[in-house]
This record gives sequence, structure tokens and C-alpha cells, in this order.
Amino acid sequence: GAVVSQHPSWVICKSGTSVKIECRSLDFQATTMFWYRQFPKQSLMLMATSNEGSKATYEQGVEKDKFLINHASLTLSTLTVTSAHPEDSSFYICSARGGQGNSPLHFGNGTRLTVT
Amino acid sequence: GDSVTQMEGPVTLSEEAFLTINCTYTATGYPSLFWYVQYPGEGLQLLLKATKADDKGSNKGFEATYRKETTSFHLEKGSVQVSDSAVYFCALKGNQAGTALIFGKGTTLSVSS
Repeated sequence: GAVVSQHPSWVICKSGTSVKIECRSLDFQATTMFWYRQFPKQSLMLMATSNEGSKATYEQGVEKDKFLINHASLTLSTLTVTSAHPEDSSFYICSARGGQGNSPLHFGNGTRLTVT
Repeated sequence: GDSVTQMEGPVTLSEEAFLTINCTYTATGYPSLFWYVQYPGEGLQLLLKATKADDKGSNKGFEATYRKETTSFHLEKGSVQVSDSAVYFCALKGNQAGTALIFGKGTTLSVSS
């Protein structure tokens, strides 16, 4: 089946630094990618939707200058957490969809970010 | 807006016990409904889905029926196994093409032998 690779699986960084998370579709072209964030014991919250070649659409309350999303190709989207702070520590998951709008979603394994 | 509410966990069961994880939703129109499972150390996987009222999704012994009258999509399994231990997420997708999934908070299931 379709595979979405997310890297890194975990990262620890110091406060004030930036961290980039990659999401790759390995065997299909991902026309749309979604970035989610999960706090402990909370639901997956949609952060943004990105379509290849266009600017990401951010959900209300998500700072687009802090969470930079780039979807430059049909197989790669990146999420950069800029000037990270401890409150940004969370589990970030990407998902990707190819083809038409109702095609199946495929998820990455997630990235555990810890900001010290 | 659309939302999903699922029962709080953790749920702890013995092997071969009956499982129910409740899920209700609020949505306009006719969403599609999903159950995803996340095994320890792995990513989310689609477990089953239903796209219209009265549809029953099933997979690996799990079932859920789309009940529009009660806006519910409860997950059931007649006899759980230790290998079913995971986090289960109920989710919905609006009927507009291209919309993202909206998830519930997840329910942790722990099955002991």
C-alpha cells in the first residue's frame, strides 16, 4: 500500500532554534498534505492543509509565521517550527492524499518534538 | 463546526472480552466516518469506514455502523486479543472533496492475557 515517510521520528532541540520535519510520499504523488498536532491525551488537531505549488491554508489559531509549511513537490512537504519554545513540544503527524479529493489518506508515523 | 466525541480511556479488558468504544459526531450534511488505529510505535492506519447512513464498516473482526439517527459510529469487537492493544481514533470527513479528517481524542485499549 501507499507509504508516507516522516522524518525525523523524534527530535530534541533547544529553545529558540528551528526544526524542520519532512513528509514524503514514497510511491504516489501527494497532491494534498495535511499537518496535524497531537497534545498528550488530546485529539489530533489539524494545523494546516497544503496543496502542491501553492501556499498552505492554516487553521484558525495556528501561527503561519511560526509553523512554516512548504509543499514544493508532489512527493515532499516540510513543516518548520521556527524559534521553538517548550510549549511547541508535541507530536506532529503528516498525512497525504493523491489523486481526487476523496482519495484515501495515508499517514506518516509522526515526529515527537521536545523543546528544552 | 464539525466535531467528534469518543469515550475517554483507557479501556482495559481481558483477552476474549467484548469491546465497545463509543463515538458520536456533529456535522452538517452527510459526512463519511472512520476508525483509525495506532499501534505502539507505528503511524495511524485506517481500520474501517462507512460513507453513508446504515453502512457497516468491518475489518479484522471490528465493526461499526453509521447511525444517522443517533449520530453515532460505535466500534465493536466480539472477542479482543492482546494484539488489539492500541489507540483508536474515531474521525469524520465532511462531504466536500478535499477536506481534512476531524478526529476524536483517541481511546487507549489495553488487552491482557
